[in-house]
Amino acid sequence: GENVEQHPSTLSVQEGDSAVIKCTYSDSASNYFPWYKQELGKGPQLIIDIRSNVGEKKDQRIAVTLNKTAKHFSLHITETQPEDSAVYFCAAANRDDKIIFGKGTRLHILP
Amino acid sequence: GAGVSQTPSNKVTEKGKYVELRCDPISGHTALYWYRQSLGQGPEFLIYFQGTGAADDSGLPNDRFFAVRPEGSVSTLKIQRTERGDSAVYLCASRAGPSRAEQYFGPGTRLTVT
Repeated sequence: GENVEQHPSTLSVQEGDSAVIKCTYSDSASNYFPWYKQELGKGPQLIIDIRSNVGEKKDQRIAVTLNKTAKHFSLHITETQPEDSAVYFCAAANRDDKIIFGKGTRLHILP
Repeated sequence: GAGVSQTPSNKVTEKGKYVELRCDPISGHTALYWYRQSLGQGPEFLIYFQGTGAADDSGLPNDRFFAVRPEGSVSTLKIQRTERGDSAVYLCASRAGPSRAEQYFGPGTRLTVT
């Protein structure tokens, strides 16, 4: 089955700097890669996703890249703000199937 | 519009008791998923419904866990003879249908077995 590895487990960046979270997946059949943000006591919130036929996608300060050959994908957050502090999960799935999550990255934005 | 809702938000029960957790998906969403999240971990898949039927229940840990979705909308996750290891946050997600991949999560039910 699919296995998703996520790094780093914890990341601290100065407010205004960029943050990068990297993930790898094992199943070449996976074709959908969502990213979720989870704040304390809340459910995961979908922030951006990418399909396997696309190499990069951007939405304001957030961008995701996908390298299908290497089975790598990454989340980039630019101009970080205090409200970006949360746990971020990468994930992989077939479109109709269950989502397999990474273990999460706790992002701290330092003032 | 309203998102996915889950009740109760918190449930404390004694070891050996039976519990039911409820999920109301986004209106019109045909697919519904249950996940379980332990402290410090990512959500782990339990079961997936397409309409009323369970399309994939491979994540249910054992036969103490069962879920239903009788009318293709609300779903109930049922846990018999609860054990302390069942303590976790149980998350529900819904998806619009076959043409859409996005899953939207509810706030979860925190289950504590004492």
